[in-house]
Amino acid sequence: GAGVSQSPSNKVTEKGKDVELRCDPISGHTALYWYRQSLGQGLEFLIYFQGNSAPDKSGLPSDRFSAERTGGSVSTLTIQRTQQEDSAVYLCASSLRQHSGANVLTFGAGSRLTVL
Amino acid sequence: GENVEQHPSTLSVQEGDSAVIKCTYSDSASNYFPWYKQELGKGPQLIIDIRSNVGEKKDQRIAVTLNKTAKHFSLHITETQPEDSAVYFCAAGGTSYGKLTFGQGTILTVHP
Repeated sequence: GAGVSQSPSNKVTEKGKDVELRCDPISGHTALYWYRQSLGQGLEFLIYFQGNSAPDKSGLPSDRFSAERTGGSVSTLTIQRTQQEDSAVYLCASSLRQHSGANVLTFGAGSRLTVL
Repeated sequence: GENVEQHPSTLSVQEGDSAVIKCTYSDSASNYFPWYKQELGKGPQLIIDIRSNVGEKKDQRIAVTLNKTAKHFSLHITETQPEDSAVYFCAAGGTSYGKLTFGQGTILTVHP
């Protein structure tokens, strides 16, 4: 597509429930990233995919968080047994390596998660 | 790991004035420094970036400078306009696979 698409844009859930957040990257972008943005904070790296594999998942805060990517395209971030501290905006980005060697990240609009 | 500090956290200027936002980083291996602009309800959007083999880069009213020795880089916006009002984030990373460490953000307000 023209940009990175994320759904849902807003999700309100009760503490203890599981949630799934979806990311559809720019067509042809092999790299995909998930970041978390808490209120008034910077972006916190969660996980990086190259194709369907995740060589860097060092930012996942606990084993309640998991992510997968299928077909080298769509990715799903799953949070199990949600806690109030999970409330944040979850941002997805995809990238294509430039001729310069830099990986320029393009972000989606994010999924705002509120855990009551 | 990498640590990025960004200052100031808020910046208020009059239309037409210049705005400067500064960042420092800790990892000397970082070699890619992008700046993102985030408007309310939207994802961050890349506005300018610089690699470590370049000391300065300019794009119309926006410029970025990099001092590798001191490990700091700055964003300069000249002739500010109300539509420049947003949250600006600096970031640092390597080019191996694009993982970025972000600063805490600067809320820029341009008053007409």
